[in-house]
Amino acid sequence: DSGVTQTPKHLITATGQRVTLRCSPRSGDLSVYWYQQSLDQGLQFLIQYYNGEERAKGNILERFSAQQFPDLHSELNLSSLELGDSALYFCASSVESLPSVQYFGAGTRLSVL
Amino acid sequence: DAKTTQPTSMDCAEGRAANLPCNHSTISGNEYVYWYRQIHSQGPQYIIHGLKNNETNEMASLIITEDRKSSTLILPHATLRDTAVYYCIVSPRDTGTASKLTFGTGTRLQVTL
Repeated sequence: DSGVTQTPKHLITATGQRVTLRCSPRSGDLSVYWYQQSLDQGLQFLIQYYNGEERAKGNILERFSAQQFPDLHSELNLSSLELGDSALYFCASSVESLPSVQYFGAGTRLSVL
Repeated sequence: DAKTTQPTSMDCAEGRAANLPCNHSTISGNEYVYWYRQIHSQGPQYIIHGLKNNETNEMASLIITEDRKSSTLILPHATLRDTAVYYCIVSPRDTGTASKLTFGTGTRLQVTL
């Protein structure tokens, strides 16, 4: 158990819909990262938040947005969903002193039908 | 970030040492070598990292060549539970609080009886 909690584990929805994925980092970790893993793209970094502020951005689509709340949990919002958004979405957290040592949650499997 | 090259797949007999190589010939002085693994579709798991000295922890050993252009992850006594995709990643040390992990295609290690 990494200490990072992601909900829900599975999500099935239709094209055009909007969903919210939730992540609770390990106790004391200020950074939260979101990654997407699809069959054809592998694991790709989406976005990082540090103590409530956006800190780094990857190839995140404009239809996707994220935020980190004062209690440090984070949400990834995916809107106008397309079939190609079907993927595993992972959240990770890290301590400030070792940002590249990241602890991953079990992921949310999103299926867009 | 420096690019890494890993073999696509490797086999190892249970109980034997698994030696997973990684080339990172363009690594720069402030970049560390990190190893993660992903078992089936679980979240990636941090294994070990190093700068230039060999490192060992309860999971594995990391051997980095003197010129730092390549490294080897060693699982001393592989078990079936070590079957996974292993990712070698290089990442700058001085990232402050901003960091992302760039995952390649990794090495698929199959441990057999």
